[in-house]
Amino acid sequence: AAGVIQSPRHLIKEKRETATLKCYPIPRHDTVYWYQQGPGQDPQFLISFYEKMQSDKGSIPDRFSAQQFSDYHSELNMSSLELGDSALYFCASSLELGRDTEAFFGQGTRLTVV
Amino acid sequence: AQSVAQPEDQVNVAEGNPLTVKCTYSVSGNPYLFWYVQYPNRGLQFLLKYITGDNLVKGSYGFEAEFNKSQTSFHLKKPSALVSDSALYFCAVRDVLRGKLIFGTGTRLQVFP
Repeated sequence: AAGVIQSPRHLIKEKRETATLKCYPIPRHDTVYWYQQGPGQDPQFLISFYEKMQSDKGSIPDRFSAQQFSDYHSELNMSSLELGDSALYFCASSLELGRDTEAFFGQGTRLTVV
Repeated sequence: AQSVAQPEDQVNVAEGNPLTVKCTYSVSGNPYLFWYVQYPNRGLQFLLKYITGDNLVKGSYGFEAEFNKSQTSFHLKKPSALVSDSALYFCAVRDVLRGKLIFGTGTRLQVFP
């Protein structure tokens, strides 16, 4: 079965650079969530989209932005990168913003800012 | 605000013994509860969920969880642990208005041969 695809898997950037992370949800899933997981920490919610509209916003810095495109894939854009942005970034998808449906996670993008 | 708590940072158990990973929740209204497992450098894998119905929920890889409304708990259990079960386990509650999952701090399960 198709899963959530994230690219790239690994990314190394220098401070103040920009990065773009991509997420391709499971086919027919219309909701995408982005999470940030620091070393030894639980995943922290950043932002979500339902039917290409932002549905919720969490602890996402102003330097970050995201969108969901017509084909339902999503991109997380990160600018003016800081050392503290180094983390594992997960994308998850689910169906219809459903309360009773599970979210499926991608393998994550490991971002290292040097 | 909805939240879950995992009181144990780490749980150690011998292979073949039963295991329990604890989770308590705080929600207004009916809870939608989930368990996920994370292996090193991997994404989170769905194990099981409680939405409504039977208090004992069965999931993947032989795991089950018991929903207890009076104790506001949703403990993860397995009758016989395997070394390959060693991983990081997250309990989560769904924000019923916005859909996002709110995770606990995670419990590292270590199963010794």
